Amino acid sequence: AQSVTQPDIHITVSEGASLELRCNYSYGATPYLFWYVQSPGQGLQLLLKYFSGDTLVQGIKGFEAEFKRSQSSFNLRKPSVHWSDAAEYFCAVGEFHGSASKIIFGSGTRLSIRP
Amino acid sequence: GAGVSQSPRYKVTKRGQDVALRCDPISGHVSLYWYRQALGQGPEFLTYFNYEAQQDKSGLPNDRFSAERPEGSISTLTIQRTEQRDSAMYRCASSPLQGLAISGNTIYFGEGSWLTVV
Repeated sequence: AQSVTQPDIHITVSEGASLELRCNYSYGATPYLFWYVQSPGQGLQLLLKYFSGDTLVQGIKGFEAEFKRSQSSFNLRKPSVHWSDAAEYFCAVGEFHGSASKIIFGSGTRLSIRP
Repeated sequence: GAGVSQSPRYKVTKRGQDVALRCDPISGHVSLYWYRQALGQGPEFLTYFNYEAQQDKSGLPNDRFSAERPEGSISTLTIQRTEQRDSAMYRCASSPLQGLAISGNTIYFGEGSWLTVV
C-alpha cells in the first residue's frame, strides 16, 4: 500500500523567510503526488500536483514542489512566506486500482509564522 | 452551490445514538469520497463512489459505518451506535471524472462535519 511521511509535525518560520516542508512517499510505480493546505475553519485546498513531466511543479499562492524519484521525496517550497501562509499542510499520494482511485494523506505539518 | 456542501457542520450526539452525515457534491461530479480526520491527523480514506456504485469501502473502520449514494448525487454516511472514538471531522469530496490519474481531474473537498460523541 502507498504511504506518505511528513517528518515535521510543526515548523515555525519568520515572515519573509524561505520555507521547505518535507514529504517522502512509498510507491512502487510513478506516483501521483499532491500538496493540500488546510486553513483554520476551512476545507482542504489543492496547492499543486505532480502527475508526470517536469519535476518542478508550480502551484498557487507562490508555492512550488520538486519531485525527486531518487529520494522518494516531494518537498514543498516557498521563497518568502507571508503571515497568511500559517496553516496545516498535507502531502498526499494517489493510489489507483483500475478505475478506482483514492488519495492517501500524510499526517500533516503545521506551519506557524513568526512576525 | 458552487462547492461541496456538507451538513450538519457540527453534531453532538450521545454514545449509542445513530448519526447520518450528508454530502452534496458539486453538480455533475461523478466521483464522491468520504474521509475522516481526527485532531492533529491527516484525512483518512473511508469510502468512494463512482456514480451510485460504491467502488471501495476498504477504509470503513467496522460494520457500524455505512455509506450510500443511491442516485449518484447526494451521499449519506451513517454511523450506528456511535462511540466516543468516532469523534472526528468527516470530510466529503467530489471530482468531475472517474480516476484521479486523468490529467486535469481534481478532488474538491467540503468544509467537513464535526462529530462529537459524548
